[in-house]
Amino acid sequence: DSGVTQTPKHLITATGQRVTLRCSPRSGDLSVYWYQQSLDQGLQFLIQYYNGEERAKGNILERFSAQQFPDLHSELNLSSLELGDSALYFCASSVVTSGRITGELFFGEGSRLTVL
Amino acid sequence: GENVEQHPSTLSVQEGDSAVIKCTYSDSASNYFPWYKQELGKRPQLIIDIRSNVGEKKDQRIAVTLNKTAKHFSLHITETQPEDSAVYFCAVKKTSYDKVIFGPGTSLSVIP
Repeated sequence: DSGVTQTPKHLITATGQRVTLRCSPRSGDLSVYWYQQSLDQGLQFLIQYYNGEERAKGNILERFSAQQFPDLHSELNLSSLELGDSALYFCASSVVTSGRITGELFFGEGSRLTVL
Repeated sequence: GENVEQHPSTLSVQEGDSAVIKCTYSDSASNYFPWYKQELGKRPQLIIDIRSNVGEKKDQRIAVTLNKTAKHFSLHITETQPEDSAVYFCAVKKTSYDKVIFGPGTSLSVIP
């Protein structure tokens, strides 16, 4: 168990719909990352938050948005869903320590989204 | 943006042989180079990492080497076992606060 909790584990929905994926990071981790993993594909970076603020953006579609709340949990919102959005969405958290590069990402189990 | 390439995309070895996976990156400011292992249906997990001030790091059967001048780093697995079969991802990061960019992955199969 990595300590990162993602809900829901599985989600089936129709094209055009909107869904929200939720992530609770490990206790004390300030940085949260979202990655998309399509079938037989790699880990595509979507977005990173640090202590409530957006830190970096990857190839995240305009239909997708995210935020990190004061309690450090994060939500990824996917709207106007298309068939191609079907994927495994991972959340990861990491400790950030000034003065020393740290970087181990602790991944949740992922949320598998199926768009029909 | 940062580009990370990884080779080979698939690798099949006999049990007991060695496996080597190589990654190249584009941003010379990268300073942290982890490797993650993802077993089928599981989450990625860190297996070894190296920082830019170190050229090589070893942990039992796993080692990572870094050539900052050439901007490439490699994962070496010796005495491979069937449980080493998985997808391996290299990644790069600049500072503690930066995003982690992953390579496309290498599917390793260890044949008993």
